Amino acid sequence: AQKITQTQPGMFVQEKEAVTLDCTYDTSDQSYGLFWYKQPSSGEMIFLIYQGSYDEQNATEGRYSLNFQKARKSANLVISASQLGDSAMYFCAMREGPDAGGTSYGKLTFGQGTILTVHP
Amino acid sequence: DAGITQSPRHKVTETGTPVTLRCHQTENHRYMYWYRQDPGHGLRLIHYSYGVKDTDKGEVSDGYSVSRSKTEDFLLTLESATSSQTSVYFCAISLSDRATYEQYFGPGTRLTVT
Repeated sequence: AQKITQTQPGMFVQEKEAVTLDCTYDTSDQSYGLFWYKQPSSGEMIFLIYQGSYDEQNATEGRYSLNFQKARKSANLVISASQLGDSAMYFCAMREGPDAGGTSYGKLTFGQGTILTVHP
Repeated sequence: DAGITQSPRHKVTETGTPVTLRCHQTENHRYMYWYRQDPGHGLRLIHYSYGVKDTDKGEVSDGYSVSRSKTEDFLLTLESATSSQTSVYFCAISLSDRATYEQYFGPGTRLTVT
């Protein structure tokens, strides 16, 4: 069974500084995907970034980067130059597959989340 | 904007009553999902669909059923609501024509069972 662990219930960062949110995962699949989502206080789920298990380079999307260490099974989110609007809950998630036949139903397993607070 | 709407957005119901939540999408995506969000658990998959009339169970499917008679609609039914089903319910779609299979979520439905 897949498992995602986010060990930081809450994190604080000063505006304009960088912050790393931790995520470790456990899977026996060779092919999988890792995602980060942001949930502001308004409640919507916002897709941030994706990393495939076979991707050799770390994913980046603007101020977001994913520090992917496959051997350690970690997929930490790095937010550079934090902004007040980054204050939110952040979820790490993993998708199983696709399998050798190319099939994936795209099911996601989520971690418990980390609440990030950005101070001015 | 992935064109996902959920209805109702808020509902209060009594224990033992049936409840149906609707997820509607406008872009003919094949894969649709229902998740519930509870404090300390993140989001957990209830059921998913990979086509019209093709559905399967997720991690926390007990007490829930789903139906998908049209591509655009995915219904989640609580046959007899219980207080443990008080939660925020999210519908999601997968852009399955893209390799990342990233999922986009609807705005959520807050359900309270009294």
